[in-house]
Amino acid sequence: DTAVSQTPKYLVTQMGNDKSIKCEQNLGHDTMYWYKQDSKKFLKIMFSYNNKELIINETVPNRFSPKSPDKAHLNLHINSLELGDSAVYFCASSQESQGRNTIYFGEGSWLTVV
Amino acid sequence: AQSVTQLGSHVSVSEGALVLLRCNYSSSVPPYLFWYVQYPNQGLQLLLKYTTGATLVKGINGFEAEFKKSETSFHLTKPSAHMSDAAEYFCAVSDDNDMRFGAGTRLTVKP
Repeated sequence: DTAVSQTPKYLVTQMGNDKSIKCEQNLGHDTMYWYKQDSKKFLKIMFSYNNKELIINETVPNRFSPKSPDKAHLNLHINSLELGDSAVYFCASSQESQGRNTIYFGEGSWLTVV
Repeated sequence: AQSVTQLGSHVSVSEGALVLLRCNYSSSVPPYLFWYVQYPNQGLQLLLKYTTGATLVKGINGFEAEFKKSETSFHLTKPSAHMSDAAEYFCAVSDDNDMRFGAGTRLTVKP
């Protein structure tokens, strides 16, 4: 079974649309994350979330919003998509908040905005 | 604040040759150090990590890394490269609050 799974894997959509990427982890972890990887492979954390706290990277536009129906799920909603949003988005999880814990990544969602 | 520098965005070796990927870090507290590997069209997976104790850490697929505090380094090595090692490699450093990733090094293995 895949530990961190996200869907869809590939998504092509037009500018201005609203889309969501779903993520589920079956590791029993308390903390989940969304990362963005740009075309140069640079990884940037967007959000980290556990039962107590949502930490938002201040550079992330408010068109991006995480939604967590329960501890095992953290979905990413993106409103009014722009060309610059094209990237690979990774969901991840760890036992506790980021700190010194190993982070487990999903396989990524390739978003292309046209 | 902590940071990671990976020297060389692209490293190319011949099959069977030594692999050396360089990572230097800065941290105001004793760091935890990680190497992750990303194969094409896949997510990142943990290769190895250093927390405390023995400074030479062995990971999966024959990789190992040595924590050298005096040099603030955590270089990744493998004695003999295999074609299947071709991937992107990320060094990361963490403290109690967050984890920072390096910019990545792409490893190419030539036959």
